[in-house]
Amino acid sequence: KAGVTQTPRYLIKTRGQQVTLSCSPISGHRSVSWYQQTPGQGLQFLFEYFSETQRNKGNFPGRFSGRQFSNSRSEMNVSTLELGDSALYLCASSLLQRGAGEQFFGPGTRLTVL
Amino acid sequence: DQQVKQNSPSLSVQEGRISILNCDYTNSMFDYFLWYKKYPAEGPTFLISISSIKDKNEDGRFTVFLNKSAKHLSLHIVPSQPGDSAVYFCAANSGGNEKLTFGTGTRLTIIP
Repeated sequence: KAGVTQTPRYLIKTRGQQVTLSCSPISGHRSVSWYQQTPGQGLQFLFEYFSETQRNKGNFPGRFSGRQFSNSRSEMNVSTLELGDSALYLCASSLLQRGAGEQFFGPGTRLTVL
Repeated sequence: DQQVKQNSPSLSVQEGRISILNCDYTNSMFDYFLWYKKYPAEGPTFLISISSIKDKNEDGRFTVFLNKSAKHLSLHIVPSQPGDSAVYFCAANSGGNEKLTFGTGTRLTIIP
């Protein structure tokens, strides 16, 4: 079974631009979560989608948004990029409908904002 | 407010010996705890988990211990192998939702 895939793997943008990252979960997984990893803050939860609905949201500004499609694929969007948005963005999928199960992570998208 | 803390940024252990990684949490609502391992340029990989109704869970070389009164958990790896060298993250969640709160990680180096 294929794992979680994320595209692109690397991205360079400039301040003020916007970016869209894509995640394909493991087949059959309906929950997709997004995390931001930075050296200073570690792994921070962004949001989680289940059946095309945002079910949980972390403490990030409204510039960070996401969506999920009917095939469970998910995208996250960051508008008006800032230098501090440079990070590794990780997507994770899980099988269980209600938590308490391990999440399977993709390799991440490394975003650099110049 | 760091609700999950890993106070040791790094740890070095001789091959074949026991590695003990520690994690403390402050949120008493957490009821499920997980350990992930991360290699460079890869996403975290799930290792082992424990529910708050248990105090120990074992899977091969990996054992997780939970002390609820101290709000502390630890991961024991016995025996340690060179392939165990990685960054280890402790994570927690509550109420059965998917939001994981992670610690800042401990870099484990196994010395041959």
